[in-house]
Amino acid sequence: NAGVTQTPKFQVLKTGQSMTLQCAQDMNHEYMSWYRQDPGMGLRLIHYSVGAGITDQGEVPNGYNVSRSTTEDFPLRLLSAAPSQTSVYFCASSYKGRGLGGYTFGSGTRLTVV
Amino acid sequence: TQLLEQSPQFLSIQEGENLTVYCNSSSVFSSLQWYRQEPGEGPVLLVTVVTGGEVKKLKRLTFQFGDARKDSSLHITAAQPGDTGLYLCAGAGYKLTFGKGTLLTVNP
Repeated sequence: NAGVTQTPKFQVLKTGQSMTLQCAQDMNHEYMSWYRQDPGMGLRLIHYSVGAGITDQGEVPNGYNVSRSTTEDFPLRLLSAAPSQTSVYFCASSYKGRGLGGYTFGSGTRLTVV
Repeated sequence: TQLLEQSPQFLSIQEGENLTVYCNSSSVFSSLQWYRQEPGEGPVLLVTVVTGGEVKKLKRLTFQFGDARKDSSLHITAAQPGDTGLYLCAGAGYKLTFGKGTLLTVNP
């Protein structure tokens, strides 16, 4: 049982480049979300989805796009990378039912933008 | 935006000591979750509390949810070095709202 798989684990980008952070879960979870974690700022929600075809913005959505074409996958796209997007990114998923069962997190992608 | 304040931000104690960390909000949450995060890993769920006044125990960890469902606490008895990590509380729903966490270090 793989859980939530994030790729890549590490990435260095140049300012202005674009890339996609991959997230896949094999638990048939309806809810999926992306967070970024920065020192002193905690985990902040970027985008989330309550099911295939449905996405919404979180607290810090600017500069990021998402789509949810399948239940399993929830990729995060950086359109034009900026140094302010240097962070650790986590994808998480949960069953429906207001997330009471708890979220399962991936092990993260550490992104550096130079 | 619902905010969660955690305190203390940092805590360094000796093995065997007891400790309590707090999670407070001005808003009511339908449920609240506690996670622990180790370096280089994602957060891992410890517990979900749903009912005001609820107390849950997980070995040496005791979690309380305030009567008004605005605050919660995590008490660790006889802390061990393996308890070292970042403890996060989160208001739960179709998305999570996190506090900034308490970084706990338990020294041997």
